[in-house]
Amino acid sequence: AIQMTQSPSSLSASVGDRVTITCRASQGIGKELSWHQQKPGEAPKLLIYAASTLQSGVPSRFSGSGSGAVFTLTISSLQPEDFASYFCLLDAGYPFTFGGGTRVEIK
Amino acid sequence: EVHLVESGGGLVQPGGSLRLSCAASGFTFSSSWMNWVRQAPGKGLEWVANIGPDGSEKNYVGSVKGRFTVSRDNAKNSLYLQMKSLRAEDTAVYYCVRDRAYCSGDSCYSVFDYWGQGTLVTVSS
Repeated sequence: AIQMTQSPSSLSASVGDRVTITCRASQGIGKELSWHQQKPGEAPKLLIYAASTLQSGVPSRFSGSGSGAVFTLTISSLQPEDFASYFCLLDAGYPFTFGGGTRVEIK
Repeated sequence: EVHLVESGGGLVQPGGSLRLSCAASGFTFSSSWMNWVRQAPGKGLEWVANIGPDGSEKNYVGSVKGRFTVSRDNAKNSLYLQMKSLRAEDTAVYYCVRDRAYCSGDSCYSVFDYWGQGTLVTVSS
């Protein structure tokens, strides 16, 4: 099974900061990767799919890039409502695999 | 509006069984791949299983193969997860998730676009 390594596991940032989160696959894939946001006590929410396609209704400050083995989620200007956990999901074959998550905290 | 409502969670002893249900509404359930994803307390997400639109294709993560069975009833717009031989490490919130499967050219991608609120399963004596 393909392994996903997500980094960092946590970060502290301020409102307005640019934030980048990375997921690395143990082998090359296409663009079968999505990003999800989860706030405490809530279900996850889809942000990006097919590596770089923004889900309808998601603010444009969120963007995804990458292909092959390295993928990134970027928040261009962090907003108060963006403090949450973020997970990547690899769907290139079974089993689907989530990254370990990144917790974005207020500095 | 899409709604996914899980039920059936609770406290069960190790070795016991439990059946989770997910009631779907607001979309064409019979055309959708459906998934179960779980999250142990304070931990990350783990994909558990999925099932194709007509129920003929099913896939599982290795740790639940032979113990969990995913099924669906398209006439009732319902998804199920039968869990047997439960272990402490199966303790988690279980989410029902729709996959609307986006295809572009020769490639298809999973799109986990709607999640239920989850149901908690606790395996403990």
